[in-house]
Amino acid sequence: DAGVIQSPRHEVTEMGQEVTLRCKPISGHNSLFWYRQTMMRGLELLIYFNNNVPIDDSGMPEDRFSAKMPNASFSTLKIQPSEPRDSAVYFCASSPNTDTQYFGPGTRLTVL
Amino acid sequence: QQQVKQSPQSLIVQKGGISIINCAYENTAFDYFPWYQQFPGKGPALLIAIRPDVSEKKEGRFTISFNKSAKQFSLHIMDSQPGDSATYFCAASKGNNDMRFGAGTRLTVKP
Repeated sequence: DAGVIQSPRHEVTEMGQEVTLRCKPISGHNSLFWYRQTMMRGLELLIYFNNNVPIDDSGMPEDRFSAKMPNASFSTLKIQPSEPRDSAVYFCASSPNTDTQYFGPGTRLTVL
Repeated sequence: QQQVKQSPQSLIVQKGGISIINCAYENTAFDYFPWYQQFPGKGPALLIAIRPDVSEKKEGRFTISFNKSAKQFSLHIMDSQPGDSATYFCAASKGNNDMRFGAGTRLTVKP
């Protein structure tokens, strides 16, 4: 199994640009989670989906952030417009509806 | 959002020593307490987990001790090895959703 796949692995963009992060969960997993990791705030849950439906987006920092899961094998996290304070590592994780979450390798985002 | 408090922030241990990382939680509804291990440039990976119906769980050199009344749990790494050097996160969740992570402990095991 390839595990959770995230792309791109690194993204450098300028303030004000739109950023789209992509995630392919492990096949058969029906829960998907987006996290943000920073030195200051640690690992924060942004949003999670169950069976492609957003269940809780209370962790999304503001309206500039949006996430979609159009099908069971793909999800996106979009930031528009991006700001320097959005610089972080963004992780996607999936779960087969057990307690264990399987994390992807992350996308390191730098907003200049 | 910080419902799980983890200490210490960093830990240096000699090879062969015992590494101990502590966590405390607030929400008594939490029913699953995993520890994740993260190497640089990688995502966190599940190391070991416990539920509140037991006070201890051991897997190889890794042991979780759980104190339900004190709302605390800890990770013990016996015979610590340089390959154990990583960042460790405790977490707590209720059900599969809404997992809350501690701030992380950077462990360095010196040869």
